[in-house]
Amino acid sequence: GENVEQHPSTLSVQEGDSAVIKCTYSDSASNYFPWYKQELGKRPQLIIDIRSNVGEKKDQRIAVTLNKTAKHFSLHITETQPEDSAVYFCAARSYIPTFGRGTSLIVHP
Amino acid sequence: NAGVMQNPRHLVRRRGQEARLRCSPMKGHSHVYWYRQLPEEGLKFMVYLQKENIIDESGMPKERFSAEFPKEGPSILRIQQVVRGDSAAYFCASSPPAGGPSGEQFFGPGTRLTVL
Repeated sequence: GENVEQHPSTLSVQEGDSAVIKCTYSDSASNYFPWYKQELGKRPQLIIDIRSNVGEKKDQRIAVTLNKTAKHFSLHITETQPEDSAVYFCAARSYIPTFGRGTSLIVHP
Repeated sequence: NAGVMQNPRHLVRRRGQEARLRCSPMKGHSHVYWYRQLPEEGLKFMVYLQKENIIDESGMPKERFSAEFPKEGPSILRIQQVVRGDSAAYFCASSPPAGGPSGEQFFGPGTRLTVL
């Protein structure tokens, strides 16, 4: 089955800095890669996603890149703000989604 | 259009009791997924259902756990004879028919199960 590795597990940045979270996957059949943001005690919320026929996608301060050959994808957040502090999960799916273990992002004011 | 609904939001059970978790998908959605999340861990897939059918239950323990999604009413995740290790947050997600397994999922608020 699919195996998704996510790094780092914790990321601490200063407000205004950029943050990058990386994931690798094992199943070459995976074709959909969503990223979720989960605040403490809340539900995971989709923030951006990318499909395997696209290499990069951007939505304001958030971007995702996908390298199918290397089987890795990354989340980039620019100009971080304290409200970006949360746990971020990547996922890879061809059929059933497999999630990474999460990255706790802390943005210091 | 209401989002995915789950109830109860918090559930406390003693060891050996049964837990029933309910999930109402978004209107028009016919695919339901159940996940378990342990503290400081990711979401673990449990089961994928469509109306009246279990499509994939490969992530669900073989014993004590069962799930259904009847023609009418919410999807139910049932845990019999709960043990302390069942304590976790259980999330369901739904997706529309067109999206299928590779489409976007919308998550409910979760049920936090505590087993005493």
